[in-house]
Amino acid sequence: AQTVTQSQPEMSVQEAETVTLSCTYDTSESDYYLFWYKQPPSRQMILVIRQEAYKQQNATENRFSVNFQKAAKSFSLKISDSQLGDAAMYFCAYRRGNTGKLIFGQGTTLQVKP
Amino acid sequence: GAGVSQSPSNKVTEKGKDVELRCDPISGHTALYWYRQSLGQGLEFLIYFQGNSAPDKSGLPSDRFSAERTGGSVSTLTIQRTQQEDSAVYLCASSSRQNNEQFFGPGTRLTVL
Repeated sequence: AQTVTQSQPEMSVQEAETVTLSCTYDTSESDYYLFWYKQPPSRQMILVIRQEAYKQQNATENRFSVNFQKAAKSFSLKISDSQLGDAAMYFCAYRRGNTGKLIFGQGTTLQVKP
Repeated sequence: GAGVSQSPSNKVTEKGKDVELRCDPISGHTALYWYRQSLGQGLEFLIYFQGNSAPDKSGLPSDRFSAERTGGSVSTLTIQRTQQEDSAVYLCASSSRQNNEQFFGPGTRLTVL
């Protein structure tokens, strides 16, 4: 069975600084996708970034980028120039290629200090 | 356009009662998903519907849980004989196809007393 692990329950960053959230996963599949979702206090999950396993290039979306290490099954999220609005819970998620089901990690609560 | 909506926003019920949670997906989305977010179990998949295919019910925790999707649009998640461990936030998501981005609703917070 596939599993996703986020080992950092809480992280803190100073505004304008950079922070990295860790995620590891376990799968025997070759076709899969990885995601980072943000959940603010409003509860609404928002997709931050996605990575296709077959792509070697790390995905980037503005201030958000990933470090995808396929052999190590590691998928970390880097947030640059952190803003107060980045404060939220962040979930790493896995999806096998031929299914819509998302498997989530336990989440990391990010605090941004002014 | 309108996003995924869920109702009610909050629901408080007594142990043993049945509850129905509703999800209105984004218009035209063929795939619909239910997830549960609880303190003890984190975020877990429950069920998903894809077009006219048989739903994937592999995440439903017990036979007290069921879901249907009428007319390929609105979905209702029903929990019979609720237990205190059913207390959680129930999230619904939809996507244009099962492999596309899932858009989430705001969730329904269920509290079983």
